[in-house]
Amino acid sequence: GAVVSQHPSRVICKSGTSVKIECRSLDFQATTMFWYRQFPKKSLMLMATSNEGSKATYEQGVEKDKFLINHASLTLSTLTVTSAHPEDSSFYICSARRDSGRVDTQYFGPGTRLTVL
Amino acid sequence: GQNIDQPTEMTATEGAIVQINCTYQTSGFNGLFWYQQHAGEAPTFLSYNVLDGLEEKGRFSSFLSRSKGYSYLLLKELQMKDSASYLCAVRAPSSGGYNKLIFGAGTRLAVHP
Repeated sequence: GAVVSQHPSRVICKSGTSVKIECRSLDFQATTMFWYRQFPKKSLMLMATSNEGSKATYEQGVEKDKFLINHASLTLSTLTVTSAHPEDSSFYICSARRDSGRVDTQYFGPGTRLTVL
Repeated sequence: GQNIDQPTEMTATEGAIVQINCTYQTSGFNGLFWYQQHAGEAPTFLSYNVLDGLEEKGRFSSFLSRSKGYSYLLLKELQMKDSASYLCAVRAPSSGGYNKLIFGAGTRLAVHP
């Protein structure tokens, strides 16, 4: 159990276009999901925390209007990169939090590789 | 500030034991996680420590000392498939009233025959 999917796994787009990435918890409900960004050989950087039914909480330095997050249901959160530019090219990973006993564990999706030309 | 340090790279021999260290300085502490990440894939959960001491889970063990801000991940009987990045992450409270994970840069482990 505790499977998280992401779609698409890989996307290439032109500069100026918008890209939507979906994160789904397949076999559990997740009131909280997290969006991370990872550059090559670097660690995961938390971008924002997505809460079902409320506005996302963004980390310092992350542009809210550029990275739109919607968490409309207990199993789905979406990240939309608006007006993408080459510097937005990165590996985007979501995670979903499931309360399970004493360990409040985050389960990660397989990631989405975004390349902006 | 938030700071998590771990070695960048390590190498080890198949069948051996390797210890990956992690030191942290964070604003608040609600537990420490270790994740394994293969290149281009999502991190997978390995272990969790919230109290001082050793947690053992098969070939993997993790140790925590909160007073020293220190943890290590111990991998025994290394296999080639253990070649991956190992991420140390501290769960800490955020200003928004929830917990978030702060990741170290990861330690790339190469296991050779």
